[in-house]
Amino acid sequence: AQTVTQSQPEMSVQEAETVTLSCTYDTSESDYYLFWYKQPPSRQMILVIRQEAYKQQNATENRFSVNFQKAAKSFSLKISDSQLGDAAMYFCAYRSARGGAGNMLTFGGGTRLMVKP
Amino acid sequence: EPEVTQTPSHQVTQMGQEVILRCVPISNHLYFYWYRQILGQKVEFLVSFYNNEISEKSEIFDDQFSVERPDGSNFTLKIRSTKLEDSAMYFCASSEASSGGNRETQYFGPGTRLLVL
Repeated sequence: AQTVTQSQPEMSVQEAETVTLSCTYDTSESDYYLFWYKQPPSRQMILVIRQEAYKQQNATENRFSVNFQKAAKSFSLKISDSQLGDAAMYFCAYRSARGGAGNMLTFGGGTRLMVKP
Repeated sequence: EPEVTQTPSHQVTQMGQEVILRCVPISNHLYFYWYRQILGQKVEFLVSFYNNEISEKSEIFDDQFSVERPDGSNFTLKIRSTKLEDSAMYFCASSEASSGGNRETQYFGPGTRLLVL
């Protein structure tokens, strides 16, 4: 079974600064997807960024980028120019790319990001 | 932009009562999921559903739980006899496909907060 670990329960960043959230995972599969979801106080789960394991290029979405290290099974999220609205819980998630229906997401325990004005 | 919707946003029930949580997935999506998040804990997979049948379910999804797609738009989760430990946030998610790049990304609804007294 796959596991996802987020070793930082809480992180803090100054507004406009850059912060990196860590995520490691364990899998025996070679093809999979990785995601970062944001959960603000409203508790809605919002997709931030996704990465296909077969792609060597790191995904980027505006101020959000990832550092995907497949051999190390590491998938960190970098938030540049942090804004107050970035304050939230961030969850790393893994999904198998195997064929068939119903591939579930496996989530890490989350990192609470605080942004200081 | 299309989104997943869930009703009700909050539900309070007495232990032993039945509850039905409702979801309207994104209209062209074919794969549906339920997850739950007990307060302060990680998001956990419950069940996935495709082509009018369960594709995969977790150990949490025991005989007290059932899912249904009663019509072309709704997707429901029923808990037959609620227990105190069923108190959690329940998220519905949907995806267009189960593989194939962006099409397999799961989009989450805003959640239903269930409190069992």
